[in-house]
Amino acid sequence: NAGVTQTPKFQVLKTGQSMTLQCAQDMNHEYMSWYRQDPGMGLRLIHYSVGAGITDQGEVPNGYNVSRSTTEDFPLRLLSAAPSQTSVYFCASSRVSDGEKLFFGSGTQLSVL
Amino acid sequence: AQKVTQAQTEISVVEKEDVTLDCVYETRDTTYYLFWYKQPPSGELVFLIRRNSFDEQNEISGRYSWNFQKSTSSFNFTITASQVVDSAVYFCALSDLTGANNLFFGTGTRLTVIP
Repeated sequence: NAGVTQTPKFQVLKTGQSMTLQCAQDMNHEYMSWYRQDPGMGLRLIHYSVGAGITDQGEVPNGYNVSRSTTEDFPLRLLSAAPSQTSVYFCASSRVSDGEKLFFGSGTQLSVL
Repeated sequence: AQKVTQAQTEISVVEKEDVTLDCVYETRDTTYYLFWYKQPPSGELVFLIRRNSFDEQNEISGRYSWNFQKSTSSFNFTITASQVVDSAVYFCALSDLTGANNLFFGTGTRLTVIP
């Protein structure tokens, strides 16, 4: 069972570069989301989606774009990378019903120089 | 607004000791969910437990137990007879107000179990 797959695992960018973090799940989950994890701050929600064609902003959406064209995929785009976006990024998915537990990917460690 | 406080940033215990990780939350929702996740050194996030706000029964799973008290807005996690494999960062999380499955996480407690 693949679960939630994130690629790449590591990435180094220069300030101003753009890139896409990939996330795919094979559990037919309607809900998908992106979190970032920074030291001493826990995980914070960037964007989320409750189904194909539906996305919404979380707590820290600035500088990031998402789209959801299929149930399986939920890519996160960094439009113009900044050092403040250096972080570990986690994708998560679940069924859409109250209180469902989230299944997390293994994370992407991103450094912006 | 939703808030989760894990006041213990780091805890160290000697193997076989019991340890309790504290979690205090704030919400204006009457229906909400609380979670604990474990993040071992490998970095992935592992689901441990989910608790509905209407269910205040304590839960035990092997060496793990959870104490949920609505009166004090706390959802504490106890590991009995700790083992080196318990060394990890533990996050408490609260469902947010959007109605989706978004979670609001505490800042985590790093537990180190010394052999």
